[in-house]
Amino acid sequence: KAGVTQTPRYLIKTRGQQVTLSCSPISGHRSVSWYQQTPGQGLQFLFEYFSETQRNKGNFPGRFSGRQFSNSRSEMNVSTLELGDSALYLCASSLVTGYGYTFGSGTRLTVV
Amino acid sequence: AQTVTQSQPEMSVQEAETVTLSCTYDTSESDYYLFWYKQPPSRQMILVIRQEAYKQQNATENRFSVNFQKAAKSFSLKISDSQLGDAAMYFCAYRSATGNTDKLIFGTGTRLQVFP
Repeated sequence: KAGVTQTPRYLIKTRGQQVTLSCSPISGHRSVSWYQQTPGQGLQFLFEYFSETQRNKGNFPGRFSGRQFSNSRSEMNVSTLELGDSALYLCASSLVTGYGYTFGSGTRLTVV
Repeated sequence: AQTVTQSQPEMSVQEAETVTLSCTYDTSESDYYLFWYKQPPSRQMILVIRQEAYKQQNATENRFSVNFQKAAKSFSLKISDSQLGDAAMYFCAYRSATGNTDKLIFGTGTRLQVFP
C-alpha cells in the first residue's frame, strides 16, 4: 500500500517567486493536512482539507493557500516567497478521524 | 487554546535500557486524543502510539507504552529495551475530539540519542 507522496522532495526558490507543492494521500484517505516545520517555530498547522473543502486554517498570511482535488490529492501554494518561508512542509492524510495521520516525507523548501 | 509542552529538548539512553519522555498539555476540553510521533533523519513523521482521553487504560504498542494522567494533563512515553533505531526526534501531539477537524497541536520535540 503506497504511503503519502510529496513532490518535489527538495526545492530552491528565489525571494518573490511563487511555489506549488503537491501531496498525494494514501488511497481512500479523504482528509489531508499541511504543516510547516522550522527550527524556530516547530511544527505549525497550515490548513486541512476534506472532500475538496477547506475545513480549518492555521495562522498564516494569505500568501499561503491550498486546495484539494476530487481524487483527494492536494496542493499548497506560497506566493511572493520570503526568506522566512524556508522550511520543511509536511503533508498528512487520515482515513478515520481521530486515529492519527500518516505523514509524507515532506518537501524541503529553501528560499534564497 | 490548547498547548503541548515537552520540557526535555534532549534525552539519551543506553541500548537495551528504558527511557521515559515527558509531555504535558493544557486544555479545557474533556474529550481529545493524544499521540506520540517519531521523526528520524529521513524526516517522515511516524505514528508511535495514540491514546483516547476517555479511555482509562494506558496504550501500549510493543516496546512503547504511555503513562496517561488525565487529571495532571500528563502523557509520557516509555520506551523499553531501547534500540539504535529508536534514535530520532519524538513529538507529542494533541487533537481535539470536538469540532470537525483533524488538526494536531505539537510540542517542540525531544531528541533521543541511543548509545550502544
